[in-house]
Order: sequence, then structure tokens, then C-alpha cells
Amino acid sequence: GQQVMQIPQYQHVQEGEDFTTYCNSSTTLSNIQWYKQRPGGHPVFLIQLVKSGEVKKQKRLTFQFGEAKKNSSLHITATQTTDVGTYFCAGRMDSNYQLIWGAGTKLIIKP
Amino acid sequence: GAGVSQSPRYKVTKRGQDVALRCDPISGHVSLYWYRQALGQGPEFLTYFNYEAQQDKSGLPNDRFSAERPEGSISTLTIQRTEQRDSAMYRCASSPVGRLAGVQYFGPGTRLTVT
Repeated sequence: GQQVMQIPQYQHVQEGEDFTTYCNSSTTLSNIQWYKQRPGGHPVFLIQLVKSGEVKKQKRLTFQFGEAKKNSSLHITATQTTDVGTYFCAGRMDSNYQLIWGAGTKLIIKP
Repeated sequence: GAGVSQSPRYKVTKRGQDVALRCDPISGHVSLYWYRQALGQGPEFLTYFNYEAQQDKSGLPNDRFSAERPEGSISTLTIQRTEQRDSAMYRCASSPVGRLAGVQYFGPGTRLTVT
């Protein structure tokens, strides 16, 4: 069936280091959304990418959508403790209201 | 404005009992989704409503699970004859029309524990 694979499952970084998570879909997506879930919280919408090759920035966060609209990435520059949480991608297929969710990447700041 | 609310936030029930989980979406949001989320996993789709119409229930695990949204606003997810494997976080999300159509606004969830 349709899948969105997300890697890595965990990433441990020192505060100030960069963080990246990647999503790959088995089929072409019409759009992809990114969510952040803090520990004990619920997923919160960050951004939606629609166009092939699109790049969007939110302060230290950079989101990319691949040319083939099958992959996406989220890059955080100079992580801070407030970035801790699990980042999910969720892809939508053409003419389908369902989101196909990745398993998430948990960002852990080393003490 | 008010976000999505869910009640109860926590529910402990004995195996074999029925439970009803409520979702109150953001006012004006026409789409409503139910998900189940296991610890360390992404949300797992259960069912979807557009206004009061249940458009897709393909994610409901079996016929003990049902959902309704009779007036196109509040929704109830009902689990009959609960089993221990039903223990999970159940999340509701609503979605607007327009530019942000399809974006999910989640509620805080209901943590269900079946003993």
C-alpha cells in the first residue's frame, strides 16, 4: 500500500548542532505537511508544501519538497531546547483526503 | 479562538465495557478525522467525516468501532465490548476549507486504558 518512510527514527544532537529528517513516498504526492509533537502533546501543524522543488523557511527551519514530489526534508539549524519533540511528515495523494503519516523523527538534545 | 476539544481526556474501563469518546471540532471546520496513535508512532487513520457524512471508515479496526457526526459538528467514536488491545491514545482532528483545506488541527486526545 501507500507508504511514507521517515528517517531517522531518533536523532541525538548537542544544542547548537543541526538536525535533519527525511521523508520518502512510494508514490507521487499532491502535497506534504509537516507537524511537530512535543512530549506529552498533540501534533501541531508547521507547514504545507505543494509545488515541485518548493523550499520554505520558518526562522531556523527549512522545508524542502523534491522535484518528483516523492520526498521531503526538514532541516533545523542550530537546535535549541525548544526544538525538542517528534517531527512528522504527512503526505497527501492526488484526489485523496487522507494523509499518509511518516513514523516521525524524535529530536533529542544531549545534556 | 477555541481549538479542538476532546472528552474525556483519560478513560479507564474494564474489558467488555462500551466507551464513547467525544470530539468538538473548531467552529466552521467541515472535515473531521479520528486517529489512533501508539506511543512512538505517527497517527493511524480511523475514519473521516465531511459535514455529517462519514466518507471513509476503512481505518476502523473491526465492527466494534463506530463513529458518528449527526449534525456535522460534534463527533462520537464508540468502542463496544472493549479489549485490552484497544488501549491507546485516540485523537480527533478537524480541517477547514479554503487555503488550509486538509491541514489537521488536533485535539489533546483521549487516553483509553482497558484493564
